[in-house]
Amino acid sequence: GESVGLHLPTLSVQEGDNSIINCAYSNSASDYFIWYKQESGKGPQFIIDIRSNMDKRQGQRVTVLLNKTVKHLSLQIAATQPGDSAVYFCAENIEGQNFVFGPGTRLSVLP
Amino acid sequence: GAVVSQHPSWVICKSGTSVKIECRSLDFQATTMFWYRQFPKQSLMLMATSNEGSKATYEQGVEKDKFLINHASLTLSTLTVTSAHPEDSSFYICSAHAAGTAPEQFFGPGTRLTVL
Repeated sequence: GESVGLHLPTLSVQEGDNSIINCAYSNSASDYFIWYKQESGKGPQFIIDIRSNMDKRQGQRVTVLLNKTVKHLSLQIAATQPGDSAVYFCAENIEGQNFVFGPGTRLSVLP
Repeated sequence: GAVVSQHPSWVICKSGTSVKIECRSLDFQATTMFWYRQFPKQSLMLMATSNEGSKATYEQGVEKDKFLINHASLTLSTLTVTSAHPEDSSFYICSAHAAGTAPEQFFGPGTRLTVL
């Protein structure tokens, strides 16, 4: 079913530090995952994806880790910058069906 | 590539009026479009899935007669909020998917609806 968020958890990090955003997904049959970044008043923006046959994928300054045993996904952002401040959503997908979004985490980068 | 646009970006209307929101895939053909609603500080909630040339599939709890969806072409889907009320005020976001590609959906920038 759909994931409904209540109040967004917030992660505050110092500029230049690494950020780790976590997500627990709901369906063990999910085979594709995406991390989205959403800035205020804008639509979600694709960051990085990973398939269930992988446990790690790296992009530019970002790394996604997948632990299927505990149904956990994480997004690591290296050398966090002020422009990284946003809400981050994980989304899970099963066999090309609809995506189900997690509740989101607000990342605040402190100067 | 893979750009999705929405129009309008922000609309304010009086209670009881209807509002139409357009979602366009600009550089690809979207066989499937999705409509989401997002309340402040909450996640995206899927309202309906729209396939070109067929009736939309609505999620449980979403009134199909209130939220009319039309996917008349491979590049355009519309969401009409009929007889809008203040509780319909929200951020409406569409996404599009092209058949035969990865499952990734490409999101539009969203439309903020404020019903007075």
